[in-house]
Amino acid sequence: RKEVEQDPGPFNVPEGATVAFNCTYSNSASQSFFWYRQDCRKEPKLLMSVYSSGNEDGRFTAQLNRASQYISLLIRDSKLSDSATYLCVVNMGSSNTGKLIFGQGTTLQVKP
Amino acid sequence: DAMVIQNPRYQVTQFGKPVTLSCSQTLNHNVMYWYQQKSSQAPKLLFHYYDKDFNNEADTPDNFQSRRPNTSFCFLDIRSPGLGDAAMYLCATSRAGAYIQYFGAGTRLSVL
Repeated sequence: RKEVEQDPGPFNVPEGATVAFNCTYSNSASQSFFWYRQDCRKEPKLLMSVYSSGNEDGRFTAQLNRASQYISLLIRDSKLSDSATYLCVVNMGSSNTGKLIFGQGTTLQVKP
Repeated sequence: DAMVIQNPRYQVTQFGKPVTLSCSQTLNHNVMYWYQQKSSQAPKLLFHYYDKDFNNEADTPDNFQSRRPNTSFCFLDIRSPGLGDAAMYLCATSRAGAYIQYFGAGTRLSVL
């Protein structure tokens, strides 16, 4: 079983749609969770951290369910510029080094 | 201004010819990481430095080595590149005790 699993997609949605991505992780001791965005042939960039209480940043909402070891990302009112690969990322290392485990990524294509 | 800089952005080498990729940072972060990312796959951690302490991942081939002469610079050496080593190589940094990593733009390596 992969340590971090995501549906690779692609998700093809029209502009303005709401889309949700899911992610599961295997290590119940994981403490920190993130969503990164990666554009084609570019480096990953932090989109948002994911907190137990859930958090929102504009059109983006992240949720964490520790009991189910499940993380989600909701994008409302999709824009063409949201087209990218979204990486679910979990920290599994010691607090000193912050080792990250990346999911394969979910590809989103927003169409006019 | 870029805070994690990788050079070159594109590198072409011949099968078996040693190659060195470079990463520098202006963030003064303790920890520096090297990842390998192949097409449609998750970034895979090769190794990381916590200050001068080198931490190799168990499944990183011996063909991959790293050097960190000072806080700002870290190098990835591929001693005898094979066709399977063609990939994007990503450098990242983080502060000790922090989980968020900052990525460079990557070096795309081609092996002929």
